[in-house]
Amino acid sequence: DIQMTQSPSALSANVGDKVTITCRASQGVRNWLAWYQQKPGGAPHLLIYKTSTLESGVPSRFVGSGSGTEFTLTISSLQPDDFGTYYCQQHYTYPWTFGQGTKVDIK
Amino acid sequence: EVRLVESGGDLVQPGGSLRLSCVASGFSFSTSDMNWVRQAPGKGLEWISNISSSAISTFSAESVKGRFTISRDNAKNSLYLQMNSLRVEDTAIYYCASGASYFRHWGQGTLVTVSS
Repeated sequence: DIQMTQSPSALSANVGDKVTITCRASQGVRNWLAWYQQKPGGAPHLLIYKTSTLESGVPSRFVGSGSGTEFTLTISSLQPDDFGTYYCQQHYTYPWTFGQGTKVDIK
Repeated sequence: EVRLVESGGDLVQPGGSLRLSCVASGFSFSTSDMNWVRQAPGKGLEWISNISSSAISTFSAESVKGRFTISRDNAKNSLYLQMNSLRVEDTAIYYCASGASYFRHWGQGTLVTVSS
C-alpha cells in the first residue's frame, strides 16, 4: 500500500497568513492526489483533485501543487472559515490511502 | 442538491453483523462509482470499499476483505455495506462517498460501535 505522510500534524496561524501543508507519498503517484477539508463533527469536503484541479465552489485561495511523491496545499490568505483538519489522498492505485491529517487552527 | 444519507449504524457485539445503507439523491447515482470510507473516533480517514456504477467490479481494503461486502441497487439509488465478523477495531463512523478514485460527495456518516 502507498503510505501518505503529512506535515505538520497541526498548525496555528493568523487570518491573512499564507499556510502550507505538505504531503509525501511512499512511492510515486504521478499527479493523482486529492485534498479534503473536514470540520469538527462534519464529513470531509473535497477541495482539490488531480493535484491542482479546484473542485467547483472552492475558493481560489486554495492552491495545490506537486508531482510524484511530494505535494503541497497552500492557502494563500487564511480565512476564519478555514479551520479544520486537512487530508491528502492518493487516487493513483488501490487501496486509496489518506494522510494522517493536518489540523489547522486560527489564532 | 446532492444528498447521501447513511443509516444502519448501531452498537453490536464482537463477531456480530450489521448492514449499512446509503440513499442518494440529487445526482446520477446509477452512473457513479460509490465507496465506503470510515473514521475511527479521533482518527483519520480509511477507504474500505468501492463498487463500480454497474456493480460489475468491487474492491476492498485488506482490513475488511472477506468480512465486508459492498453492493448497490441502482433502481433504489441505494448503496449497502454488509458487515460480518465485526471486530472492536471496526468501531468508526462510516461514510458513503461518490467517486471512482477521489470522493466528491459525502454523507453525514453513521456510527458503528463494536463492543461487548
